[in-house]
Amino acid sequence: DQQVKQNSPSLSVQEGRISILNCDYTNSMFDYFLWYKKYPAEGPTFLISISSIKDKNEDGRFTVFLNKSAKHLSLHIVPSQPGDSAVYFCAARAPSNTGKLIFGQGTTLQVKP
Amino acid sequence: GAVVSQHPSWVICKSGTSVKIECRSLDFQATTMFWYRQFPKQSLMLMATSNEGSKATYEQGVEKDKFLINHASLTLSTLTVTSAHPEDSSFYICSASLGRSYGYTFGSGTRLTVV
Repeated sequence: DQQVKQNSPSLSVQEGRISILNCDYTNSMFDYFLWYKKYPAEGPTFLISISSIKDKNEDGRFTVFLNKSAKHLSLHIVPSQPGDSAVYFCAARAPSNTGKLIFGQGTTLQVKP
Repeated sequence: GAVVSQHPSWVICKSGTSVKIECRSLDFQATTMFWYRQFPKQSLMLMATSNEGSKATYEQGVEKDKFLINHASLTLSTLTVTSAHPEDSSFYICSASLGRSYGYTFGSGTRLTVV
């Protein structure tokens, strides 16, 4: 049972344009959502997060939007740069004492010069 | 910032042998450490959660006797893959956290190949 889903395995955008990565979840009890960037054979690097009580969080070129009623979040990267090319994972924090994260399958972003 | 060191970064072992992977939080004390496994082009699957001084909590379907986790101190957790087989070949990643209200820092991962 995949509780966090990233239905687009890949995305290609032109440098300077907007990249929009999407993520859906099924558990309404998730209270915190995070986006990570990952390169092959490396650990994930934290990008941005959002609490379930908010609907938007912005940090530089990165903005995360949360639509709780739709159980959907998205990551916007504006403007996209070639260095943004990587695999992006969304993750949701489970309602447990330890705060374990549940990851989506990832979306490979390619930003073309 | 918080740094997590994972060692080794890659290891090749013979089928039937055991392999130990270390995860250290270098500049903070991690109350909780998580171990993930990633198959090629797939998600990071949580294997287990460990708290210092207590037994690890394993996710459904993960064999605790095969994947031994020890969290003996607030800065070190180890994952031992016992009697490794080729199907255990994967990318293993650890993550450390100060607690539920804090962030998560990931190690750089370990590529395990069992031949």
